[in-house]
Amino acid sequence: DAKTTQPTSMDCAEGRAANLPCNHSTISGNEYVYWYRQIHSQGPQYIIHGLKNNETNEMASLIITEDRKSSTLILPHATLRDTAVYYCIVRFNTNAGKSTFGDGTTLTVKP
Amino acid sequence: DAGVTQSPTHLIKTRGQQVTLRCSPKSGHDTVSWYQQALGQGPQFIFQYYEEEERQRGNFPDRFSGHQFPNYSSELNVNALLLGDSALYLCASSDPLAGGPLTGELFFGEGSRLTVL
Repeated sequence: DAKTTQPTSMDCAEGRAANLPCNHSTISGNEYVYWYRQIHSQGPQYIIHGLKNNETNEMASLIITEDRKSSTLILPHATLRDTAVYYCIVRFNTNAGKSTFGDGTTLTVKP
Repeated sequence: DAGVTQSPTHLIKTRGQQVTLRCSPKSGHDTVSWYQQALGQGPQFIFQYYEEEERQRGNFPDRFSGHQFPNYSSELNVNALLLGDSALYLCASSDPLAGGPLTGELFFGEGSRLTVL
């Protein structure tokens, strides 16, 4: 699985959009970009994933650059409950079990 | 629909002891993976079980072993505990043949927090 690089921490004002970047310059053609988050003392929770096109669901949007070497997770209207560690993972769509997590980005949403 | 359940939620052991952690996967899932998460770090893959066999293994010593039962539930065993084994142990289940956009997606339990004294 390709390695990812994320900032250690970010702050965001409540109600504003949170934009979390991820670099994955060694991604291969068939690898997907996945995002999970982990709220304190809980298990990681799936947010969204994509291959080439931008994706949106009820939780977030995922923007993948045309060369696929980086992506951005967007939480459109951050709330205090979005405070968590966000992990960007790059892997093949099969064999989800062996996912390589980095240390993620700690997002703190402030009132 | 019950999600992934793990037990116990917390436990304390001393060095040299052995521990067994348990996991029941999400209904319909047949593949279980175990992760170790040290404080302040991301989860690290230990191993994966499918059809009652260990299919993949991460960089963990043989002190870490596991088992999967016919009902797809799983156990993680750690022998000769070290202080460094203190961590949150996460179980995740998936269904590689589910099909659709969430094929092979991982669903995590809340974890078992092990403290080794």
